[in-house]
Amino acid sequence: QVQLVESGGGVVQPGGSLRLSCAASGFTFSNYPLHWVRQAPGKGLEWVAVISYNGRKDYYADSVKGRFTISRDNSKNTLFLQMNSLRAEDTALYYCARGPNILWWIDYWGQGTLVTVSS
Amino acid sequence: DIVMTQSPDSLAVSLGERATINCKSSQTLLYNSNNKNYLAWYQQKAGQPPKLLISWASTRESGVPDRFSGSGSGTDFTLTISSLQAEDVAVYYCQQYYSSYTFGQGTKLEIK
Repeated sequence: QVQLVESGGGVVQPGGSLRLSCAASGFTFSNYPLHWVRQAPGKGLEWVAVISYNGRKDYYADSVKGRFTISRDNSKNTLFLQMNSLRAEDTALYYCARGPNILWWIDYWGQGTLVTVSS
Repeated sequence: DIVMTQSPDSLAVSLGERATINCKSSQTLLYNSNNKNYLAWYQQKAGQPPKLLISWASTRESGVPDRFSGSGSGTDFTLTISSLQAEDVAVYYCQQYYSSYTFGQGTKLEIK
């Protein structure tokens, strides 16, 4: 079955950096686009970024553009999110998620990894 | 950017009764070339990640009970639970994928 397991969350100071990872299994990783979606504590869902199946295209929410970079390693079935210049408002549970096609819906979600930006 | 607005923000329905959640987009989600509405519905139970219920506004995901149905076109959409069960308590989100991705703010569904 499809499994997405996030890691790399933690506490970081404002202005700091963090790199999230997502290990995937149970499907042909290189065939699917992958997303990061976040959820601030007690709040709703916010889409963050998506990367195409081959890594050649990526798209970002305006709120993270220029600060976050999504990437993937298809040889290791792993998705990444490099987060720089972190702000308090980036505090959230970050979900790794799969889409059946780029610019379609999300069909599978991981359990999330918590990022807290605080001094 | 497309803004998604759900109503109501919260809803309490008796077991066995119908629950209706609305979702309105700031611009059309109907792509004329394929006549498809680029809208999905998700269910998120407490402490869990979201689960896909419906895509293309009305196509139920495999394994989703048939008491869940989606309808609407263009800018106005509805998720209906025909007979509420206890396990349906959750927050429900609509999402557009017509232009990038945007979620509605969520509707919290509880038992009356």
